[in-house]
Amino acid sequence: IAGITQAPTSQILAAGRRMTLRCTQDMRHNAMYWYRQDLGLGLRLIHYSNTAGTTGKGEVPDGYSVSRANTDDFPLTLASAVPSQTSVYFCASSESLDYNEQFFGPGTRLTVL
Amino acid sequence: GQNIDQPTEMTATEGAIVQINCTYQTSGFNGLFWYQQHAGEAPTFLSYNVLDGLEEKGRFSSFLSRSKGYSYLLLKELQMKDSASYLCAVRGRDYQLIWGAGTKLIIKP
Repeated sequence: IAGITQAPTSQILAAGRRMTLRCTQDMRHNAMYWYRQDLGLGLRLIHYSNTAGTTGKGEVPDGYSVSRANTDDFPLTLASAVPSQTSVYFCASSESLDYNEQFFGPGTRLTVL
Repeated sequence: GQNIDQPTEMTATEGAIVQINCTYQTSGFNGLFWYQQHAGEAPTFLSYNVLDGLEEKGRFSSFLSRSKGYSYLLLKELQMKDSASYLCAVRGRDYQLIWGAGTKLIIKP
């Protein structure tokens, strides 16, 4: 693995189903982030983690949950998907919250019907 | 509230120079970032400004005026591969990034 990987690449999901988007980084970065990107809108932060064992809410956290059991993995869970959660989801990481550069994964395209 | 504005789309000619503007109003300021995003791909870091002035990095330069809440990204000697969206983001006092919607740059031969 080099950098950040996300899985799946894309997914079509029925409304009401539970879904976990996976994110793994091999750079030993302390900070990790989940963003959603919608057409005409900027990237919006969903949740973030400053270090393993701690998480925080971003701008649009409702309907999403995260966990950070170790340094490398930061899964995002939609407990009961709704059509408004149709989006492209990017995971990112940085050495720390105040480090200048964030590295992004390739994204997951999620469609909720 | 917090707001970042940048033009939706710009067109320029290969070999020319283009300036992409970004204005912002945020709660606190801990730096301004520019990212490049090709269609269907992830954003990649271009530049960071925290003090007023111009930062130059090869063909790309970024300028910041904190008193005016204004930044621009200057791209010189445009190449076809520069066709992409350019995202402006500001880090507020809680260290979270607030992102603009991005400027789609179209390069014509």
